[in-house]
Amino acid sequence: EAQVTQNPRYLITVTGKKLTVTCSQNMNHEYMSWYRQDPGLGLRQIYYSMNVEVTDKGDVPEGYKVSRKEKRNFPLILESPSPNQTSLYFCASSSFRGRVNYEQYFGPGTRLTVT
Amino acid sequence: AQTVTQSQPEMSVQEAETVTLSCTYDTSESDYYLFWYKQPPSRQMILVIRQEAYKQQNATENRFSVNFQKAAKSFSLKISDSQLGDAAMYFCAHVAQGGSEKLVFGKGTKLTVNP
Repeated sequence: EAQVTQNPRYLITVTGKKLTVTCSQNMNHEYMSWYRQDPGLGLRQIYYSMNVEVTDKGDVPEGYKVSRKEKRNFPLILESPSPNQTSLYFCASSSFRGRVNYEQYFGPGTRLTVT
Repeated sequence: AQTVTQSQPEMSVQEAETVTLSCTYDTSESDYYLFWYKQPPSRQMILVIRQEAYKQQNATENRFSVNFQKAAKSFSLKISDSQLGDAAMYFCAHVAQGGSEKLVFGKGTKLTVNP
């Protein structure tokens, strides 16, 4: 089954404790991206990757890091989480090949609470 | 900069009736896609319908259809024969081709379906 997986789905942590949210896709997609969703703001892009070892900042990258060492994985790293990073996080992926029926596939989301 | 505006934070509809959700966007690109995503209480992002900008014909998917007005940069979603399961947050989104592949989202419209 084609899918994007994220782990963990729920996480409660304390300020300053480093954490990683994993994202993996099994569709051989070149493009992967992280979004955060906050009430009243919709979804905003944090970081994206066009391919292995190619990453770039989105609209709200402060406080986050990413890496793309393998095509299927795109982890989101919070080196020193703060309460303003409490949010719902989505990973998404897509392919550049074939523009017909273009779609970004979303993971199930990770609910992060930083106290 | 690309922007997406959903002017209706909340909408309600009677079961079996028709409702239209509004979306306007701003872009300088000539080649792009538009989407409507549904987010039920499970938080999963579900693609409802897509529209390629180069296609003049409005997209339809069963009870869902769009009114795409390219010159006016308008992209409304019509839900016919509304069902209780249609209750959700609906997000309009835009992505330009050939760029960063960033999905730009509106802030969402919460749809309530009354029995």
